[in-house]
Amino acid sequence: DAGVTQSPTHLIKTRGQQVTLRCSPKSGHDTVSWYQQALGQGPQFIFQYYEEEERQRGNFPDRFSGHQFPNYSSELNVNALLLGDSALYLCASSLASLAGLTYEQYFGPGTRLTVT
Amino acid sequence: AQKITQTQPGMFVQEKEAVTLDCTYDTSDQSYGLFWYKQPSSGEMIFLIYQGSYDEQNATEGRYSLNFQKARKSANLVISASQLGDSAMYFCAMREWGGIGGATNKLIFGTGTLLAVQP
Repeated sequence: DAGVTQSPTHLIKTRGQQVTLRCSPKSGHDTVSWYQQALGQGPQFIFQYYEEEERQRGNFPDRFSGHQFPNYSSELNVNALLLGDSALYLCASSLASLAGLTYEQYFGPGTRLTVT
Repeated sequence: AQKITQTQPGMFVQEKEAVTLDCTYDTSDQSYGLFWYKQPSSGEMIFLIYQGSYDEQNATEGRYSLNFQKARKSANLVISASQLGDSAMYFCAMREWGGIGGATNKLIFGTGTLLAVQP
């Protein structure tokens, strides 16, 4: 049973460029959340996708956008990269529950983005 | 707004001893969930333990237990019989209530505690 996978593992970009990060959820999961973790900080929620729609968003600018595909995999896109976007980007998957009772949320290994 | 506070940037513990990592939280919601995650140097967040706000008993998972004191808004993690492999960053997190039908998986994290287990 494959867990959450992310690609690429590492990425180096230049200021002003655009980047796309990818995430495949754990088998059976249908919800994907993205987090940004700056060095020495806890992860910050970017947004969550369910049924191919953005359902909730954290305090991130519109330069951060995403997409969820019919197979539940997801992409995170960041435009006009800034030095401050350098961070570990974590993807987490879970199974949606209308009752909100489930708490299982599994994280991938992350993509480390460096902006120079 | 919800907030998680971890006041211990770093902790040392001797192998085989118990250690408590502190976590306090702030929320006006009656329904919420509290989590602890372990993050080794590899970066992956590993789920350790969960406590629901309506759970009457403290959660336990193997060597991990959560000391939940609702009135004090604290959710401390206790690791018994520490092992060298326990050396890592530990994050306390709270699930915010909202989103689809009231359910969401948005987690609010603290700043973490770096635990070093000494032989």
